Amino acid sequence: QKEVEQNSGPLSVPEGAIASLNCTYSDRVSQSFFWYRQYSGKSPELIMSIYSNGDKEDGRFTAQLNKASQYVSLLIRDSQPSDSATYLCAVNAKGGANNLFFGTGTRLTVIP
Amino acid sequence: GAGVSQTPSNKVTEKGKYVELRCDPISGHTALYWYRQSLGQGPEFLIYFQGTGAADDSGLPNDRFFAVRPEGSVSTLKIQRTERGDSAVYLCASSFQGASTGELFFGEGSRLTVL
Repeated sequence: QKEVEQNSGPLSVPEGAIASLNCTYSDRVSQSFFWYRQYSGKSPELIMSIYSNGDKEDGRFTAQLNKASQYVSLLIRDSQPSDSATYLCAVNAKGGANNLFFGTGTRLTVIP
Repeated sequence: GAGVSQTPSNKVTEKGKYVELRCDPISGHTALYWYRQSLGQGPEFLIYFQGTGAADDSGLPNDRFFAVRPEGSVSTLKIQRTERGDSAVYLCASSFQGASTGELFFGEGSRLTVL
């Protein structure tokens, strides 16, 4: 079982809609959860971090964490064509170690 | 520079050759990471340095891969006897606090092609 699993997509949504991206992880002791965005041909950049159960909002982005279900999600409201990218879920490694495991990423396309 | 710098940006080599990839992290960042990313995949963890020492090298695929960071700043990833399966983008990232509590800043990557 992979440490972090994501639906690879592609996910297509119309401009202005809500995009929902999901991620599950295998290690129950993981404490830190991140969403990175990667544009085609570019490097990943951090867009959200979340450490506690519940929701965390930052502008049009909301991260949701459910440790009991080992589930992390990212909602993008009012999706824009500039949001078209691959979204990578990342989870800190076993036992809280200071490195991250990444999922395979979900490719999002926002259709104008 | 202000960001993580990686050289070369592109490297084409022949099977069996030796390759070095260099990473210059953001000044003051003590944590440095190497990842490898193949097409359509997420970054795959290779090794993590805290200062000069390798804190976790569990992601290195085999003994052909080795990385150093002798002065706690610049790091070099070394690949011996390259194989076609080593072709990928090698990403370096640095962090002030470490990945669990802080942001990873990635370089633009070194694209390695083994013919």
